[in-house]
Amino acid sequence: EAGVAQSPRYKIIEKRQSVAFWCNPISGHATLYWYQQILGQGPKLLIQFQNNGVVDDSQLPKDRFSAERLKGVDSTLKIQPAKLEDSAVYLCASSLELRTEAFFGQGTRLTVV
Amino acid sequence: KQEVTQIPAALSVPEGENLVLNCSFTDSAIYNLQWFRQDPGKGLTSLLLIQSSQREQTSGRLNASLDKSSGRSTLYIAASQPGDSATYLCAAPGGGADGLTFGKGTHLIIQP
Repeated sequence: EAGVAQSPRYKIIEKRQSVAFWCNPISGHATLYWYQQILGQGPKLLIQFQNNGVVDDSQLPKDRFSAERLKGVDSTLKIQPAKLEDSAVYLCASSLELRTEAFFGQGTRLTVV
Repeated sequence: KQEVTQIPAALSVPEGENLVLNCSFTDSAIYNLQWFRQDPGKGLTSLLLIQSSQREQTSGRLNASLDKSSGRSTLYIAASQPGDSATYLCAAPGGGADGLTFGKGTHLIIQP
């Protein structure tokens, strides 16, 4: 069974530029999450989708971050404009349904300079 | 709001020892708890998922326990090996949403 796929693996951008990350969840998984992991910290939930609807985006900085999950499969997370403090690993996870085991991708390491 | 704390933050032990990693959480109204492993520069690998109705879950040399009433979970690693060196993260749902709240992790080093 293929795991959660994320791209790119690494990205370096200058502050005030925009960037987008892509995630393809495990086939058949209805729930998709985006997490932000700052160095030395545990991951923090940014947004959760159930199929193509948003379940929780309470911790998403909506002035600069946006996410979508078209057709309830792939998802993209965008940052515009990026700030230095956005430097982190962005992790995508999926689960079969709500309240089931979550599986994570390899993450995208973003460096904002 | 769920808060998760992991103790110790770091641990270094010689190969072969049995060890215990601790996790505490503030909101005991959880339906499950998950333990993950993270290798440097990698994503998270799910190790064990304990349902709220269970007290223990085992996978190979790993055993996780859950005590909802006290807000605690432990991860027991038997006969540790150098390949077990990684950061171990505990995560629990809470705050009314399904998303996981993570601790900061325990950085484990097993000395050959």
